[in-house]
Amino acid sequence: DIQMTQSPSSLSASVGDRVTITCQASQDISNYLNWYQQKPGKAPKLLIYDASNLETGVPSRFSGSGSGTDFTFTISSLQPEDIATYYCQQYDNLPPTFGQGTKLEIK
Amino acid sequence: QVQLQESGPGLVKPSQTLSLTCTVSGGSISSGSYYWSWIRQPAGKGLEWIGRIYTSGSTNYNPSLKSRVTISVDTSKNQFSLKLSSVTAADTAVYYCARDRDGSGSYGYWGQGTLVTVSS
Repeated sequence: DIQMTQSPSSLSASVGDRVTITCQASQDISNYLNWYQQKPGKAPKLLIYDASNLETGVPSRFSGSGSGTDFTFTISSLQPEDIATYYCQQYDNLPPTFGQGTKLEIK
Repeated sequence: QVQLQESGPGLVKPSQTLSLTCTVSGGSISSGSYYWSWIRQPAGKGLEWIGRIYTSGSTNYNPSLKSRVTISVDTSKNQFSLKLSSVTAADTAVYYCARDRDGSGSYGYWGQGTLVTVSS
């Protein structure tokens, strides 16, 4: 299985801050990388697909970049409603695998 | 807009078979080219992909669970199902059904999730 390593595991930031999360794959996955947001008690929500494409209806403050093994997820200006856990996921190889998650909190 | 809804017992005894159904609304499960998947999440932990069934009926399973998992589809009811045999406490989790957005592995549609507890 491809291992996905997210960093950091938790993050505290202030409203308006720029927030960056990284995800590293254990092998080259091209751009087959997604980012999800999960709020407590809710299903994950797809934010970014194919490393850098914004899902329909997702605010433009969310963005993603990278290819190969190293990927970055950015919130350009943190909003209170962005408090959640964020997961990366690869789908280059079966089984699809997820990072361990990054819990984002407001400072 | 496609919607998914999981259903099934919330409590299963050890060594028994966990059975869940995902009912799809807002579209036919047999139309298009999509993967219908099951994903689970133990409390406070990350997400684990269980397996998927394609519109054609072909299946793929996580090797870590393959010997115990069966995913099937009932097009007449617009449902797909998960069976996980010989369960233990380690199978206690919220189980989600999901559909990819475009035939890839990007899960754009999710059910709300259902908690299954394995306990005697």
